[in-house]
Amino acid sequence: DSGVTQTPKHLITATGQRVTLRCSPRSGDLSVYWYQQSLDQGLQFLIQYYNGEERAKGNILERFSAQQFPDLHSELNLSSLELGDSALYFCASSGSGRSTDTQYFGPGTRLTVL
Amino acid sequence: AQTVTQSQPEMSVQEAETVTLSCTYDTSESDYYLFWYKQPPSRQMILVIRQEAYKQQNATENRFSVNFQKAAKSFSLKISDSQLGDAAMYFCAYRSSYNTDKLIFGTGTRLQVFP
Repeated sequence: DSGVTQTPKHLITATGQRVTLRCSPRSGDLSVYWYQQSLDQGLQFLIQYYNGEERAKGNILERFSAQQFPDLHSELNLSSLELGDSALYFCASSGSGRSTDTQYFGPGTRLTVL
Repeated sequence: AQTVTQSQPEMSVQEAETVTLSCTYDTSESDYYLFWYKQPPSRQMILVIRQEAYKQQNATENRFSVNFQKAAKSFSLKISDSQLGDAAMYFCAYRSSYNTDKLIFGTGTRLQVFP
């Protein structure tokens, strides 16, 4: 158990809908990262938050947004869903956001868009 | 931009034997971090081992060790005394020490362990 929790574990929805994925980092970790794992794109970095502020952005679509709250949990919002958004979405956390810190991954949320 | 390449889509090993998974990367940076993550059928991403580029000594964690060749930009993972529980996808990942904390992953190697 990495100490990172993600809910829900599975999500099935229809095209055009909006969903919210939730992540709670390890106790004391300030940085949260979101990654997408799909069959065609592999594992890709989406976005990073550090202590409530956006720190880095990767290949995140405009239909996707995220935020980190004062209690350090993070939410990833996916809207106007398309079939191609079906993937495993991971949250990871690390201590201070310094490059020396290792990222620990949550169990992931499997999103299926029908 | 940095890239990570895992040229072995699948590997297999007999239980108790040793197997080596390959990883090469491309970067112009001198300081960075390299990781191996394991993804079993449960899909959880589990850290196996990490290596700091400034350290010449190869990292070791129990049955797992790496062969880090900085000049060749190579970072292979050796699993000794393979166990059935080692069967999983293994991902090599790169992390810069500079302007970003994101992990850049290879495409993975699926390891099968036969009894």
